[in-house]
Amino acid sequence: DGGITQSPKYLFRKEGQNVTLSCEQNLNHDAMYWYRQDPGQGLRLIYYSQIVNDFQKGDIAEGYSVSREKKESFPLTVTSAQKNPTAFYLCASSSGSGPQETQYFGPGTRLLVL
Amino acid sequence: ILNVEQSPQSLHVQEGDSTNFTCSFPSSNFYALHWYRWETAKSPEALFVMTLNGDEKKKGRISATLNTKEGYSYLYIKGSQPEDSATYLCAFNGSGNTGKLIFGQGTTLQVKP
Repeated sequence: DGGITQSPKYLFRKEGQNVTLSCEQNLNHDAMYWYRQDPGQGLRLIYYSQIVNDFQKGDIAEGYSVSREKKESFPLTVTSAQKNPTAFYLCASSSGSGPQETQYFGPGTRLLVL
Repeated sequence: ILNVEQSPQSLHVQEGDSTNFTCSFPSSNFYALHWYRWETAKSPEALFVMTLNGDEKKKGRISATLNTKEGYSYLYIKGSQPEDSATYLCAFNGSGNTGKLIFGQGTTLQVKP
């Protein structure tokens, strides 16, 4: 079954702690994306990667970091510098990086702060 | 940051009603407009990608139109069914050579049987 998996489904973070959200795809897609959703707001782009070993900041990258060492994996680290991390995080991928490329989404991870 | 606005924010209709909602986006630097459907407890799924002014796309009872000159797209659902209940997202691409999308906040549709 081809698709995107995200883990864990729920994640709890303590003050001052870094946490990493996993995103894996087996669609052989080149591009991958991380979005954040807050109540009443649209999905906001955190980071995106058009190709392995390359990534760019999105609109709200502060307090987050990513890596793209493998084509199928794009983990997101929420650092202690992110002061308001409680949100729903969605990972997506697309075959290419053109404006018409459909993005395919994972099931999401909900991050809660203890 | 460019703004994409959707209206209404939420909508309640009876089964069998037809409905429509709006997505407004910047009319400059337009490359593509995407519509997604996001059902509760599922992942967002693509409905349409539209690129040309005057474009009209259809999938079953759902259709969409595009006006790039004035910066809006309409999504229509004919004869709404309870299974159409979902949040409908539009997303604007104004970047050309990347897949960067700017999403609206969504319109949540509830269809009552």
